[in-house]
Amino acid sequence: AQSVAQPEDQVNVAEGNPLTVKCTYSVSGNPYLFWYVQYPNRGLQFLLKYITGDNLVKGSYGFEAEFNKSQTSFHLKKPSALVSDSALYFCAVRVMNYGGSQGNLIFGKGTKLSVKP
Amino acid sequence: GAGVSQSPRYKVAKRGQDVALRCDPISGHVSLFWYQQALGQGPEFLTYFQNEAQLDKSGLPSDRFFAERPEGSVSTLKIQRTQQEDSAVYLCASSLSGRNSGNTIYFGEGSWLTVV
Repeated sequence: AQSVAQPEDQVNVAEGNPLTVKCTYSVSGNPYLFWYVQYPNRGLQFLLKYITGDNLVKGSYGFEAEFNKSQTSFHLKKPSALVSDSALYFCAVRVMNYGGSQGNLIFGKGTKLSVKP
Repeated sequence: GAGVSQSPRYKVAKRGQDVALRCDPISGHVSLFWYQQALGQGPEFLTYFQNEAQLDKSGLPSDRFFAERPEGSVSTLKIQRTQQEDSAVYLCASSLSGRNSGNTIYFGEGSWLTVV
């Protein structure tokens, strides 16, 4: 079964420091991995995705993520955190079905990022 | 439109009432998804459409939940005889192609349902 794990419920970081939000996955076949951010009372906003190619993926708002096949991880990173980055972050994996066509996303339970001034 | 649009944004329903939630996907997007997000949880898949065809409804929690997309664009999620456990945010999402798993799935702002 395909799954995503976000081992930390909350990550606390001081503004200006680097941040990492962890994600590990379990899939059959090649993984299609995504990160989304959710601000209070809002929907999910797409940050970045890994499909193939370079293991370091750059996304919106200065975020990046590193795909590590041997460790089955896709950690989200940012070199210098901002207070405005405080939100809920979700890692997700794309299910392959319907005869090889795209399927739905399976999400982790989310990690709350808190950036203090 | 510029993004996925959902209505109503907020709905309070009395237990036993039927509700209908509407989703307008991004223009031209073939795939449409519905997710349910309970408070403090990640989104859980409900159902998936490719154009007007409902290819997967394995996530619908009971036969009180029904979704349709009759013309392959706008979709409606209907919940009959609402129960308190149906209280959640219902997220609609869409993506461009039916066969490319690399396509990004874009989400709407959600419909916040509270059953009292």
